[in-house]
Amino acid sequence: NAGVMQNPRHLVRRRGQEARLRCSPMKGHSHVYWYRQLPEEGLKFMVYLQKENIIDESGMPKERFSAEFPKEGPSILRIQQVVRGDSAAYFCASSRTQSEKLFFGSGTQLSVL
Amino acid sequence: GQNIDQPTEMTATEGAIVQINCTYQTSGFNGLFWYQQHAGEAPTFLSYNVLDGLEEKGRFSSFLSRSKGYSYLLLKELQMKDSASYLCAVRAGGNQGGKLIFGQGTELSVKP
Repeated sequence: NAGVMQNPRHLVRRRGQEARLRCSPMKGHSHVYWYRQLPEEGLKFMVYLQKENIIDESGMPKERFSAEFPKEGPSILRIQQVVRGDSAAYFCASSRTQSEKLFFGSGTQLSVL
Repeated sequence: GQNIDQPTEMTATEGAIVQINCTYQTSGFNGLFWYQQHAGEAPTFLSYNVLDGLEEKGRFSSFLSRSKGYSYLLLKELQMKDSASYLCAVRAGGNQGGKLIFGQGTELSVKP
């Protein structure tokens, strides 16, 4: 039973390019969460999705950032026109229901040059 | 607002006991979680409390007092591999659903 799968593990982009981060939740999980982590800081909530629906995007910047969790396929976190300040580790987590614990993926380290 | 506080860093000796405290003020409460995170790795689940009292799991125990907005994680018989960041997180529930709100993490260093 595979865990939460994130890819790529590392992503390098130049300023102005687009970054696409993918997350496949654990089998049977329909709740997906995206978090961002800067060095030596805690996990900052970005967005919470449940199949095809955005439940809570209160932590996501209004511009350049978007997220989706289609009926088929992985959840995607998309960052357009990246800037240096977007450099961080982005973690995805999933849960079977909204009451159960979250399982985390290994994260995508985004570096913007 | 949502606020979760825990010490930034702690140091302890191998074989000893350490207690990591967490206080929280959130708009709702539907459970408190502790996660362990080694540098460059995914957070892994340690414990969950939703009712007052102590939950014990091997060398790790977690305590919750909802009236005080307080929890602690107790690690016994410390090992070098316990050096990691320990994250306290609260699920507010209600219309915020399943998301967890994390504190900044406590970096624990275990010395020989």
